[in-house]
Amino acid sequence: AQSVSQHNHHVILSEAASLELGCNYSYGGTVNLFWYVQYPGQHLQLLLKYFSGDPLVKGIKGFEAEFIKSKFSFNLRKPSVQWSDTAEYFCAAGGSSNTGKLIFGQGTTLQVKP
Amino acid sequence: NAGVTQTPKFQVLKTGQSMTLQCAQDMNHNSMYWYRQDPGMGLRLIYYSASEGTTDKGEVPNGYNVSRLNKREFSLRLESAAPSQTSVYFCASSERLFGNYGYTFGSGTRLTVV
Repeated sequence: AQSVSQHNHHVILSEAASLELGCNYSYGGTVNLFWYVQYPGQHLQLLLKYFSGDPLVKGIKGFEAEFIKSKFSFNLRKPSVQWSDTAEYFCAAGGSSNTGKLIFGQGTTLQVKP
Repeated sequence: NAGVTQTPKFQVLKTGQSMTLQCAQDMNHNSMYWYRQDPGMGLRLIYYSASEGTTDKGEVPNGYNVSRLNKREFSLRLESAAPSQTSVYFCASSERLFGNYGYTFGSGTRLTVV
């Protein structure tokens, strides 16, 4: 069955700490991977995406994610978080064909303390 | 601003009441989606529309109906609201069905059924 699992439901960090949010997926066939961010009271926005090529993907606001095929993982990282990174983060997996539904993880709430 | 517009932003219903959530996109996208977001469960697909004139059930369609009025608009109707339908509802669109490019989301509708 297709699924996306995010390991951490709630993460609390101090400013300048490093961040890594785990994401594992189960998806048949060629997979496209996404991280979305939802700031308080706002809609989901695309943070970064992986389709193919370099497994290290850089997104907006200093975020990056690494696709490790052997581990079925797509973890999100940021070397130094800011208070403004406080948000909910969703990992999603989708197929490369038109029949591949986008499956979302449960979400991880990140709280950054100033 | 180009994007996905949802109305209303907030709504309180009594059990048994009906309502329609409206969604419109101005990006000339072919496909549109309705998701519900519940704590700890991520986003779950209610219904989707591959293109104008077509609609299909997602993971959790019970208690909902949809209409793809034209290419721009995709509405979600609750015929007889139940407390279990208390949730945040997001409309999204994409250029192609489940396309590689990710989705553009609306700002959400926070619905409470009492």
